[in-house]
Amino acid sequence: GAVVSQHPSWVICKSGTSVKIECRSLDFQATTMFWYRQFPKQSLMLMATSNEGSKATYEQGVEKDKFLINHASLTLSTLTVTSAHPEDSSFYICSAREAGSILWLTDTQYFGPGTRLTVL
Amino acid sequence: GEDVEQSLFLSVREGDSSVINCTYTDSSSTYLYWYKQEPGAGLQLLTYIFSNMDMKQDQRLTVLLNKKDKHLSLRIADTQTGDSAIYFCAWGYGGATNKLIFGTGTLLAVQP
Repeated sequence: GAVVSQHPSWVICKSGTSVKIECRSLDFQATTMFWYRQFPKQSLMLMATSNEGSKATYEQGVEKDKFLINHASLTLSTLTVTSAHPEDSSFYICSAREAGSILWLTDTQYFGPGTRLTVL
Repeated sequence: GEDVEQSLFLSVREGDSSVINCTYTDSSSTYLYWYKQEPGAGLQLLTYIFSNMDMKQDQRLTVLLNKKDKHLSLRIADTQTGDSAIYFCAWGYGGATNKLIFGTGTLLAVQP
């Protein structure tokens, strides 16, 4: 099956620093990747949709200058949390849709294992 | 609105059937999904159902959709300890729209 990896799996950083999270589709090409944020005991909240070769589409209330997204290739999207603060501490999850797959029509997304960000 | 609600917790004994429920507000969804989240692992797609279907069965899983009541359920037959996880329902429009709306998640605890 389709595998999506994330790196790092967890990161601790000081307030004010920037953190980059990578999302890779390992055995398929993904024209579209998604970034979610999950708070403890809560659901996934879509932050932005990342399309290869174009600007990301951010959900309402998500600061695009705070959460920089780059989708430079069909297998890699990155999320950079700039000037991180303690309130940015969360579990960040990415997902990917397989390009050209019949499952694209059904909006099937393959999810990464998530990255736990803790900002001190 | 785009609300999707689930009960927070369900406890069952091994071998029993589990039924996880989900209610949603947007009737224009095209596809409805069930995902499983285990600690340290990504969300795993269990099954999905088209909005024009009432039921779908896939091995131990049965999905029922009541469009009139906007109610979706997932039944797991012969529940095993390995089924212990958080289960999320989600819906989407499919195609180019992409966006998935997730439910609040139900923690299923299977007692041996």
